[in-house]
Amino acid sequence: KQEVTQIPAALSVPEGENLVLNCSFTDSAIYNLQWFRQDPGKGLTSLLLIQSSQREQTSGRLNASLDKSSGRSTLYIAASQPGDSATYLCAVPLDRGSTLGRLYFGRGTQLTVWP
Amino acid sequence: GAGVSQSPSNKVTEKGKDVELRCDPISGHTALYWYRQSLGQGLEFLIYFQGNSAPDKSGLPSDRFSAERTGGSVSTLTIQRTQQEDSAVYLCASSLTSGGPVHEQYFGPGTRLTVT
Repeated sequence: KQEVTQIPAALSVPEGENLVLNCSFTDSAIYNLQWFRQDPGKGLTSLLLIQSSQREQTSGRLNASLDKSSGRSTLYIAASQPGDSATYLCAVPLDRGSTLGRLYFGRGTQLTVWP
Repeated sequence: GAGVSQSPSNKVTEKGKDVELRCDPISGHTALYWYRQSLGQGLEFLIYFQGNSAPDKSGLPSDRFSAERTGGSVSTLTIQRTQQEDSAVYLCASSLTSGGPVHEQYFGPGTRLTVT
C-alpha cells in the first residue's frame, strides 16, 4: 500500500517569502506525481504533474521536483502572495495493480500567507 | 471548456435515508473516479470506472455504497441508509486514458454531504 506524507502540516508566512513544501511516498513504482491546491469549501485544482521520467516541472512561480528513487517531491513557491493561501496536496498513482490511476493522497499542507 | 461538474453542491439528509450524488465528467474522458474527504481525514479512493470495463469497487467502505456510470459518461454514487459517519465531501475526478501512462486527473467541486 502506498503511504504519502506531507510536511509541514501547516505553514504561516509573511508575503514575499519563498516556500518549500515536502511530500514523500513509500512505494516508488509511480506513474507520476501531481500537486493540487484546495481552497476552503472547494474542489481540487491541479497545479503541476510530473511524469516519473521527469525531474521537475515549472509553472509561473511554482516549481515541483521529483526524486522517484528516494520517494520525495518538493513544491517550491517563489515570492508568496496572500492569494496563495490554501491547502496543498500531493498525490501519486501506482504504475501497477488493477486500479490504474487511483491517486494516493497526502494529508496536505495548509498554507497561510499574510500581508 | 467545461470541467467536471457535480450535483448537488450540498446535501443535508436524515440518518437512514438514501442519497444520490451525480458527476458529469469532462467530455471524452474515459476514466472516472470517486473519492471521499472526511473531516480531519485525507482523501480516500472509493470507486473507479474505465470505459466499458467492470468498475473497481475496492475502495467502497460498505455495501451501502454503490455507483454506476451510464453510457460511459455520467456517474451516480448512491449511499443507502445513510449514517452520520458518511458525512464528508464526495469528489469526482475524470481523466483521459489511452492505455499508456496515467493522465492528469481533473476534479469537480464536490458534494458536501451532511447526515443529521
